[in-house]
Amino acid sequence: ETGVTQTPRHLVMGMTNKKSLKCEQHLGHNAMYWYKQSAKKPLELMFVYSLEERVENNSVPSRFSPECPNSSHLFLHLHTLQPEDSALYLCASSQDRPPGRYEQYFGPGTRLTVT
Amino acid sequence: EDQVTQSPEALRLQEGESSSLNCSYTVSGLRGLFWYRQDPGKGPEFLFTLYSAGEEKEKERLKATLTKKESFLHITAPKPEDSATYLCAVQKGSGGYQKVTFGTGTKLQVIP
Repeated sequence: ETGVTQTPRHLVMGMTNKKSLKCEQHLGHNAMYWYKQSAKKPLELMFVYSLEERVENNSVPSRFSPECPNSSHLFLHLHTLQPEDSALYLCASSQDRPPGRYEQYFGPGTRLTVT
Repeated sequence: EDQVTQSPEALRLQEGESSSLNCSYTVSGLRGLFWYRQDPGKGPEFLFTLYSAGEEKEKERLKATLTKKESFLHITAPKPEDSATYLCAVQKGSGGYQKVTFGTGTKLQVIP
């Protein structure tokens, strides 16, 4: 595997379900990110982990719970979601310490539909 | 508050018809400006990073330029396979992680 991978690619869940999204990066980066992408809106940063420590939480509802067990893996645990949470969820990784290039590399995303 | 505005929202070109996409930004302490390409249902694909005014980067039919207030993505003699949404993002300097603000993108359609 190369780059950033995400599973599953598609997920349909009811409002009472619990599911998890998984992200893995094979780029040797030390920062990982979760973004939400909805139609006609810019990418919304949800969470940032730097060296496995959560350094940003952009007022995301508690029904979204991130987990970063190591610098290569990132999870987003979902429970009791609302229909407006339906979106494309993107994982990204980057370097965040000099020297280095800081551009973020994205996974293919998980298309989430909440029914 | 950091802002990134992209124009136009959508652009339709004939194959071979060159044009430019605009990204205007307001950010204090710009560390870098990024261009990404995103195909439908996929994650953004990194294209370029620009760090300072006057800098230019090229890749095939794409050329990105940067001034103190905006960036342009020039597309020369586009082909149908260049059809995608092009995203601009700015990164401000801060310790630790890299916080990036994205624009809403320009959806480009190139017609054969």
